[in-house]
Amino acid sequence: GAVVSQHPSWVICKSGTSVKIECRSLDFQATTMFWYRQFPKQSLMLMATSNEGSKATYEQGVEKDKFLINHASLTLSTLTVTSAHPEDSSFYICSARVGEEWTEAFFGQGTRLTVV
Amino acid sequence: GQNIDQPTEMTATEGAIVQINCTYQTSGFNGLFWYQQHAGEAPTFLSYNVLDGLEEKGRFSSFLSRSKGYSYLLLKELQMKDSASYLCAALDSNYQLIWGAGTKLIIKP
Repeated sequence: GAVVSQHPSWVICKSGTSVKIECRSLDFQATTMFWYRQFPKQSLMLMATSNEGSKATYEQGVEKDKFLINHASLTLSTLTVTSAHPEDSSFYICSARVGEEWTEAFFGQGTRLTVV
Repeated sequence: GQNIDQPTEMTATEGAIVQINCTYQTSGFNGLFWYQQHAGEAPTFLSYNVLDGLEEKGRFSSFLSRSKGYSYLLLKELQMKDSASYLCAALDSNYQLIWGAGTKLIIKP
């Protein structure tokens, strides 16, 4: 199957700083990438849908100025958590879609963010 | 609204069989996925059903009934490594994934 690489796997940062998470499709071109957040014992919560070369579409309740998404190329999307706070501590996962009618979502390894 | 329901937690014995149920209500339907997620890791794909019936893949099988909005994941010959959360997700008419909260499966020796 297709490979999606997410980096870093885990990060600890101080409150008020910004953290960038990268999501790369290694062997395919991802026209659409998705960013999820998962709190302990809960399911994936879609934060935003990112299309290459255009602005991301954010889900209701997700602050677009706080969670900056850049999808500059067909193989790379980044999520920047700006001015992070302890409540932003979570597991962030990206996934990529191959084509418009897809039968599988390919996930990155996830990033465990801890804000202290 | 759109909704996915699955049990929160199930317990089974090593070597046994377990069935994890999922019911869904979505705006349109383009298929149903099952993913396995171990703690602290990203989900991994198990199965995709878009037509009614049973799809078998080794020890894992997945069933779909579109008329009933129902699916199940069947795990046979359970192994300790099968202890994980199992996520059910339906693809709606806009090809957006609607996720269930996941079923935590605990395997006991």
